[in-house]
Amino acid sequence: AQKVTQAQTEISVVEKEDVTLDCVYETRDTTYYLFWYKQPPSGELVFLIRRNSFDEQNEISGRYSWNFQKSTSSFNFTITASQVVDSAVYFCALRGSARQLTFGSGTQLTVLP
Amino acid sequence: EADIYQTPRYLVIGTGKKITLECSQTMGHDKMYWYQQDPGMELHLIHYSYGVNSTEKGDLSSESTVSRIRTEHFPLTLESARPSHTSQYLCASSNDRGRETQYFGPGTRLLVL
Repeated sequence: AQKVTQAQTEISVVEKEDVTLDCVYETRDTTYYLFWYKQPPSGELVFLIRRNSFDEQNEISGRYSWNFQKSTSSFNFTITASQVVDSAVYFCALRGSARQLTFGSGTQLTVLP
Repeated sequence: EADIYQTPRYLVIGTGKKITLECSQTMGHDKMYWYQQDPGMELHLIHYSYGVNSTEKGDLSSESTVSRIRTEHFPLTLESARPSHTSQYLCASSNDRGRETQYFGPGTRLLVL
């Protein structure tokens, strides 16, 4: 069975602060994919990143960066210099051999001006 | 970029009515999915399809039904809506090339009175 845990239910930061969203996963598969999605108040899910289990390189895209560590089964997401437009619910998800996505419960990020 | 569409975006309807939520994608993706999500909460898979004439039930039991007669179209039907069906319904699609990133539509917010 697969499981994704996002222990932080809600986080509030002031604009320009850095913030890290935690994601811990469980799977028995050796090949799997990890994802992050953003859900703004409008409701749609926006794909941010996919990472496969064989690629532990960290990735940076503008103000976003991701830290994948197989040793701790974690795939954390950092926003640098946060902005009000970053306010959203962020979901971590896992796909293994079951071919279905397993989502975490999400982290509500609020960036205050 | 995802080209996946859902209509209607919002629907308010009385108990007992039959409704169909439309989902279509123009990316030629083989796989399509329906998720149910209460506001800000985790997503639950209710139906999926791996191709034309193929449909399966997801992890969350649902009274809805789906059909997949054309690759690009994956409608969801509720024969008799009830207040317990009030939720957001998200449609997604993915290709069949192993990575299977799911791209989501804008969602339908359903309110059953």
